[in-house]
Amino acid sequence: GDSVTQMEGPVTLSEEAFLTINCTYTATGYPSLFWYVQYPGEGLQLLLKATKADDKGSNKGFEATYRKETTSFHLEKGSVQVSDSAVYFCALSERNQGGKLIFGQGTELSVKP
Amino acid sequence: NAGVTQTPKFQVLKTGQSMTLQCAQDMNHNSMYWYRQDPGMGLRLIYYSASEGTTDKGEVPNGYNVSRLNKREFSLRLESAAPSQTSVYFCASRGRDRGSPMGGYTFGSGTRLTVV
Repeated sequence: GDSVTQMEGPVTLSEEAFLTINCTYTATGYPSLFWYVQYPGEGLQLLLKATKADDKGSNKGFEATYRKETTSFHLEKGSVQVSDSAVYFCALSERNQGGKLIFGQGTELSVKP
Repeated sequence: NAGVTQTPKFQVLKTGQSMTLQCAQDMNHNSMYWYRQDPGMGLRLIYYSASEGTTDKGEVPNGYNVSRLNKREFSLRLESAAPSQTSVYFCASRGRDRGSPMGGYTFGSGTRLTVV
């Protein structure tokens, strides 16, 4: 079945450091890919998405590119802030499967001043 | 504010007790979902309802039942709670992807359930 694998956390960075969180997937079809963010004590919010190969999703300085050849969707940000501290989830959704989201295990990011 | 509302936010149950988690959305979305979140395991789908009147099992349905009461409401029931069901439960709804700032999915704020 479909699955998503993320790099393990927690990840601890200093403010203004470069961030990469790796995400790879396996899918039987041609999925849409997502990054969700969960701030402490809150639900999930969509951070960015991409629906086809070579699409780049971007939001709030975060970027991720849909790489079909490597089945990857790595999240990057050039300069993190303390306010970026959260748990980040990579997810996929296939067409004609009821809109179900399949999530990776999540990566906790802690940014220190 | 439009969105997905879950109740209760916190609950402690004794083993063997039953309870129903409520979820309601006011965005006229067709599809609704129940996920559980456990440390190191991400979110796993329990049940979903692709449209009013239909429900289907997800990845981890054992020990749960659901009811799609109407288009707005999708409840999750634990008939006999077990400590393994201690988790954070999230309800989500999904509308048309096009033009939606949330990519079509909207999540509730979660219910933290502890079974002792």
